[in-house]
Amino acid sequence: QITLKESGPTLVKPTQTLTLTCTFSGFSLTTSGVGVGWIRQSPGKALEWLALIYWNDDTFYNSPLKKRLTITKDTSKNQVVLTVTNMDPVDTATYFCAHVESRYKQYFDLWGRGTLVTVSS
Amino acid sequence: EKAMTQSPATLSVSPGERATLSCRGSQTVYNNLAWYQQKPGQAPRLLIYGISTRATGIPARFSGSGFGTEFTLTIDSLQSEDSGVYYCQQYDDWPLTFGHGTKVEI
Repeated sequence: QITLKESGPTLVKPTQTLTLTCTFSGFSLTTSGVGVGWIRQSPGKALEWLALIYWNDDTFYNSPLKKRLTITKDTSKNQVVLTVTNMDPVDTATYFCAHVESRYKQYFDLWGRGTLVTVSS
Repeated sequence: EKAMTQSPATLSVSPGERATLSCRGSQTVYNNLAWYQQKPGQAPRLLIYGISTRATGIPARFSGSGFGTEFTLTIDSLQSEDSGVYYCQQYDDWPLTFGHGTKVEI
């Protein structure tokens, strides 16, 4: 059974760096084709894909945010970490991590419950 | 960027009726199209991928169709638990993009 769970601060100040961790079980990020992505959702808004990392360390980012995002993995801990620099109130959102089963089919078949991050001074 | 546009924004239907949700791409996404259902306070749930393949455990009353730039999610015999917001997502090209969603009210 695949599960994912996001963790990190619930409140950050403007200009700070946000670090979120996705801890997963039921699969390995050493398995060919597998990936983990991050998606966020501002309150009452639509879903916005942020970044994705694959088993082979290939990474992809949403271009407008690319300069502020870094996604990494720690296969020994079954974790994927997303950092977002220079946080702004508009970055207030629920951040989800999700599993991708195939290198060539980037839909998200299983999601974590999400973690709400508020940016405020 | 391949933008996805969903319509209508809100759909009010009665139990037992059929709901038809539309998703249009700004460019072709071929068959690289998925649908998700999201209920308040929950994560999205994958319903459909590859335009028409139901994900594990998804009831047969959910079906997807279309190709290229025009896609449809059909929900037959609507049940109360089908209320929520439905999103389409293209995975044909980077960046991955979602539509803005259709809220289904029952």
